[in-house]
Amino acid sequence: DAGVIQSPRHEVTEMGQEVTLRCKPISGHDYLFWYRQTMMRGLELLIYFNNNVPIDDSGMPEDRFSAKMPNASFSTLKIQPSEPRDSAVYFCASTRAGNYGYTFGSGTRLTVV
Amino acid sequence: AQSVSQHNHHVILSEAASLELGCNYSYGGTVNLFWYVQYPGQHLQLLLKYFSGDPLVKGIKGFEAEFIKSKFSFNLRKPSVQWSDTAEYFCAALRTGTYKYIFGTGTRLKVLA
Repeated sequence: DAGVIQSPRHEVTEMGQEVTLRCKPISGHDYLFWYRQTMMRGLELLIYFNNNVPIDDSGMPEDRFSAKMPNASFSTLKIQPSEPRDSAVYFCASTRAGNYGYTFGSGTRLTVV
Repeated sequence: AQSVSQHNHHVILSEAASLELGCNYSYGGTVNLFWYVQYPGQHLQLLLKYFSGDPLVKGIKGFEAEFIKSKFSFNLRKPSVQWSDTAEYFCAALRTGTYKYIFGTGTRLKVLA
């Protein structure tokens, strides 16, 4: 089992550019979560999916953020346009229904300059 | 509002010292409680979890936590820390039947060799 796979590991982009973060959950996991981690705000849940359907997106900071899960093995988090305050580590996590412990990916460190 | 509080933001210990990290939650009803560890530059990993039953939960790497319902607490303990325990530790709560974690702000532990 390769675990939760995120790409890229690091992304540096200029303000105003579009950024796409990718996540492949563990096979068989039907819940997928996107978290953002910053020094100031800690870990924040942005959105989570169940069976590819968004269940709760109340943590998405604003319309510049969007997330999709077109199939059970792939999800994207897009920021357009990006701003310096979006700089953070973005984690994806997955779990199986009935198992409440998450498996986290290695994260994407995003720097917007 | 639902919240998880970790009052110790930074802890420094010498090797072989005993560790106790505080965690308090504010929830009505039944909750599931977790401790995660994040080693420098890595993703979060599950240390232990409490769902029900014996309030003293044993996890990996010699860690344990005690659920005290009357105090709304779930403190993490280890009798003798090692240099390799240097990491950030997150407490998290989950209302029974949901998948939306509330994380604490984390405690950075530094163990001096």
